[in-house]
Parts: sequence; structure tokens; C-alpha cells
Amino acid sequence: DTAVSQTPKYLVTQMGNDKSIKCEQNLGHDTMYWYKQDSKKFLKIMFSYNNKELIINETVPNRFSPKSPDKAHLNLHINSLELGDSAVYFCASSQGVRGTTDTQYFGPGTRLTVL
Amino acid sequence: AQSVSQHNHHVILSEAASLELGCNYSYGGTVNLFWYVQYPGQHLQLLLKYFSGDPLVKGIKGFEAEFIKSKFSFNLRKPSVQWSDTAEYFCAVNSGNQGGKLIFGQGTELSVKP
Repeated sequence: DTAVSQTPKYLVTQMGNDKSIKCEQNLGHDTMYWYKQDSKKFLKIMFSYNNKELIINETVPNRFSPKSPDKAHLNLHINSLELGDSAVYFCASSQGVRGTTDTQYFGPGTRLTVL
Repeated sequence: AQSVSQHNHHVILSEAASLELGCNYSYGGTVNLFWYVQYPGQHLQLLLKYFSGDPLVKGIKGFEAEFIKSKFSFNLRKPSVQWSDTAEYFCAVNSGNQGGKLIFGQGTELSVKP
């Protein structure tokens, strides 16, 4: 009965490869997010989708492309991986359309290591 | 641009000690404030949040936080910590015109010695 799940939990890959991280939520929420946590544990938002529509797009390289096939899923595809992409990526979801007061529920994270 | 500052990078306490973790934000408008906790090996979960009303907010596991608008602060407190409170604590803020975008502080690692 996991609320927000991510796969894989760990991802080790070579520079230049393309990889995807999947996220699913079973809470019936309308909004989903991707955050990046760097080696100093600093969390920064990357993207947000509401009902499959992109609503937040931070200054993220074009190599990162989120895809939302339906409101329960938000996948993150990364092209041409670089060393600096190594981080923990967290997916989250919240109930509302704009969600400013809503609690965001986080997934367990995906630790990406680029060699 | 909005920013959130957590003053303490690593706090070490003995069990039963009182805890106060500082959080300051920079934004002049209406804000919503959150404290999240990340226990070792687990995902982030909400401790408490403030968006209006009584500036003293009570959360889970005996935690509370006080919003002081004049000081742009939202400090987290607990009167008596337990070993199980060992975790990373994150303060976060969002504003009414930016959707659900959370701006996080750098995090404070709390270690409680039994």
C-alpha cells in the first residue's frame, strides 16, 4: 500500500547513457513533482505536473525530460548523463491544483550514480 | 528570489534534552511554511505546517514550530528529544503565486545520543 513509489531505488550507469526513473502514486493526487537532492542533501525542485500538464519547470538542462502518461505517473528521462547528475531524485505528489498549502508526499528516492 | 536558511548544520543532543532548530526565510509576501523529517533510510515526511491562524503549530511526535512574521522565522522545537528523533530535518517554504513549488533549507542533521 505504498503511497508514492519510485523505481529503481539505485541506478549506476556510465556517462553518456540515457536512463529513466519511474514514479507512481496511488493517493489520487492531481499534482506530482520531481526534486533533486545533491551530495550536501540540498533539495531543489525540478518539475511539477498537474493532471499531465507541466506547471513548474525550473532551470533544468534540456537533457532532463519529464513525462506524465496519466495523473498517477510522472517519469523522469535523462539523456546523455553527466557526472554532475549524480544525486538522489525524489518524486512527490500533492492533492490540489495549485497545492500551496497541501502536504507533499515523497517517494523513497532514487540514488543515481554516474561513473 | 526566495531562500530558506537553516542555521545549524549538525546538532548533537543527549536524550531528554530540549531541541530548537532555526529556520529563516526571505520573502516579503504570504508564505506557507513546512518542516519535513527524513529518518535514516526513509523518505521525507511532514512533521508540521503553517499557512494561517495560530502561529504556534503542533505536529506529530511532540514537535511544534512558531511562525514569527517580524523575524521571518519558523523555528522547530521539541521539549525532550528521544534517540528515535535522530534524522535530517528540512524547513521549506512556498508562496501563493508559485503553485506547490517548495523551497527547502539546507537541512539540519540531528543526532541524539542514548
